Amino acid sequence: IQLTQSPSLLSASVGDRVTLSCKGSQNINNYLAWYQQKLGEAPKLLIYKTNSLQTGIPSRFSGSGSGTDYTLTISSLHSEDLATYYCYQYNNGLTFGSGTKLEIK
Amino acid sequence: QVQLKESGPGLVQPSQTLSLTCTVSGFSLTSNSVHWVRQPPGKGLEWVGAIWSGGSTDYNSALKSRLSISRDTSKSQVFLKMNSLQTEDTAIYFCTRSGHLDYWGQGVMVTVSS
Repeated sequence: IQLTQSPSLLSASVGDRVTLSCKGSQNINNYLAWYQQKLGEAPKLLIYKTNSLQTGIPSRFSGSGSGTDYTLTISSLHSEDLATYYCYQYNNGLTFGSGTKLEIK
Repeated sequence: QVQLKESGPGLVQPSQTLSLTCTVSGFSLTSNSVHWVRQPPGKGLEWVGAIWSGGSTDYNSALKSRLSISRDTSKSQVFLKMNSLQTEDTAIYFCTRSGHLDYWGQGVMVTVSS
C-alpha cells in the first residue's frame, strides 16, 4: 500500500486549526498511525489505529478517517508543533507516507 | 520503562556488510515485535524490516535480498545485517517497538563511504 500525504509543506500561525491528509492506494482498515518528528530527534507516536491518542500526547491532536482517507488535526497550533508529520499504515505490509513539514508563520 | 538503543559502526565501506544491534529493556521480545526504520539525510522514513514476537521476520521487498534480522531473547537484543552496502544505504537507522511503533531508539547514523 502506498501512502500520499498532502500538503508536503504547510505554513500556519499559532492558534490555527491545522489539517493534514494521508491517502492510501488501498483500504487501510483503520490501521493508520501518525508520527511527529522534530529536527534531530526520533519520530514520536501521536495517534494509532486512526484515532487513538498515545499516552502523554496533548488532546489538541486528533485523528480521523476510514477506508483510504485519513486526517490528522491539530485543533490549536502551538509553536512547539513545528515538525514533520508522517502517516504510517500497518494493515497490509508496512509503509510510511512522504511527510508533511509544518512551519509556523 | 520501555527503552531501545541502537549500536553499531558509524562508517562502513561500500560492498561491505552492516551489522547493527538493538538492545531493549522494559519489555519482552517474545511478546512484542521489533522493527527497523531508516532515514537518509534530509529525507523521509523507510520501513526496513521486522522480527515478530514469535520469531518470524518480514522485510522491505526492495531490501529483502540483502537483509537479515534475528534476535537473542536471552540478551534482549535484535540484530540487523545488511550486505552489499551502497552509498544509498547511508542513513540513520532506528529500532522501534510493536506494530504501531510506539517506542523508538535514538537512532544510529551509518555512513557508507570509502
